[in-house]
Amino acid sequence: AQSVSQHNHHVILSEAASLELGCNYSYGGTVNLFWYVQYPGQHLQLLLKYFSGDPLVKGIKGFEAEFIKSKFSFNLRKPSVQWSDTAEYFCAVKLGNAGNMLTFGGGTRLMVKP
Amino acid sequence: GAGVSQSPRYKVAKRGQDVALRCDPISGHVSLFWYQQALGQGPEFLTYFQNEAQLDKSGLPSDRFFAERPEGSVSTLKIQRTQQEDSAVYLCASSPRVGDHQPQHFGDGTRLSIL
Repeated sequence: AQSVSQHNHHVILSEAASLELGCNYSYGGTVNLFWYVQYPGQHLQLLLKYFSGDPLVKGIKGFEAEFIKSKFSFNLRKPSVQWSDTAEYFCAVKLGNAGNMLTFGGGTRLMVKP
Repeated sequence: GAGVSQSPRYKVAKRGQDVALRCDPISGHVSLFWYQQALGQGPEFLTYFQNEAQLDKSGLPSDRFFAERPEGSVSTLKIQRTQQEDSAVYLCASSPRVGDHQPQHFGDGTRLSIL
């Protein structure tokens, strides 16, 4: 079965610092990749998604992610974080050839200090 | 806006009681998913419906868990004879159509605590 690993469980940054959150998955076939964000007290919201084409995808709020197939990775980046980016971030994978379920990583809790 | 609605938001039950959790998906969404999120972990898949048909229930942890979506809209997740390990947030998600390019829209979840 596929699995998703997020290496950083907790990240603390100061405003304006750059962000990179790691995500690796263990499946060799076609995958669809997602990053979801959960702000305090809110539901999971889609940040960005990759299905095919350009491996560098841009999402909402200045976030982007790069799909590197050879490394089975889909890392999330933002050049300059804001206090309002404080949230929990989840990477998720869906198999491209079968099934509709998402497999999530364990999440990374980001705190941005003002 | 009409997002995915779940009720109740919080549920406390004694061990051994039965509970029922409700999900109202976004109107017209064909696909509906249930996930379980334990404290400090990512959501884990429980079951999937396409309209009223339950196409995948491979994630249900035991036969105490049962889900239905009789008319292809509202869904109920029922847990019988609850155990402490059932304590978690139960998330419902829906998506418009069947297919790879459909992101899932999540509700706020029901936080279940078993005493």
